[in-house]
Amino acid sequence: ETGVTQTPRHLVMGMTNKKSLKCEQHLGHNAMYWYKQSAKKPLELMFVYSLEERVENNSVPSRFSPECPNSSHLFLHLHTLQPEDSALYLCASSQEQLAYSYNEQFFGPGTRLTVL
Amino acid sequence: DAKTTQPTSMDCAEGRAANLPCNHSTISGNEYVYWYRQIHSQGPQYIIHGLKNNETNEMASLIITEDRKSSTLILPHATLRDTAVYYCIVKLPPPGGYNKLIFGAGTRLAVHP
Repeated sequence: ETGVTQTPRHLVMGMTNKKSLKCEQHLGHNAMYWYKQSAKKPLELMFVYSLEERVENNSVPSRFSPECPNSSHLFLHLHTLQPEDSALYLCASSQEQLAYSYNEQFFGPGTRLTVL
Repeated sequence: DAKTTQPTSMDCAEGRAANLPCNHSTISGNEYVYWYRQIHSQGPQYIIHGLKNNETNEMASLIITEDRKSSTLILPHATLRDTAVYYCIVKLPPPGGYNKLIFGAGTRLAVHP
């Protein structure tokens, strides 16, 4: 496997289910991100992990719970979701550098989530 | 981060150059211009970034006006595989090392035979 992988690629769940999305990066990066892309809306940053610590949480409801057990893996745990949470969930990674330098983000293919 | 304005959609004939404009009239001196694209049902892909000078890589060229209030991404020989949504993002390099990207609606480029 190369780059950033996400599983599952598609997920259908009921509002009372608990499920998890998995992201794995094979690039040796030390920062990972979750984004949400709803229909007709721009990508929204949800969470950022840097050196396995959560450094950003953009007012995301508690029914979304991220976990970063190591620098290569990122999870998004889902419980009691609403139909409006149906979206494409994208994971990305980058190499954290010295301040004020830039490294591109590499994105995974996303998980298409449908909440019934 | 400076606001950007891009056309909603553009068309381009295969083999011709695709010129995608981006207006960022409120850009500050230290803010960079970044371009990403998102092919249907895939994650975004980095294309190029620049500060003042024009930049070129294997994917595209970035032309930034002298006053830095606008820029143009150029795909020199567009192919059908270049059909995607193209995002122009203007921001400072991250102070903390990790990069927080804010995506707008972008330009939907359709390359046709």
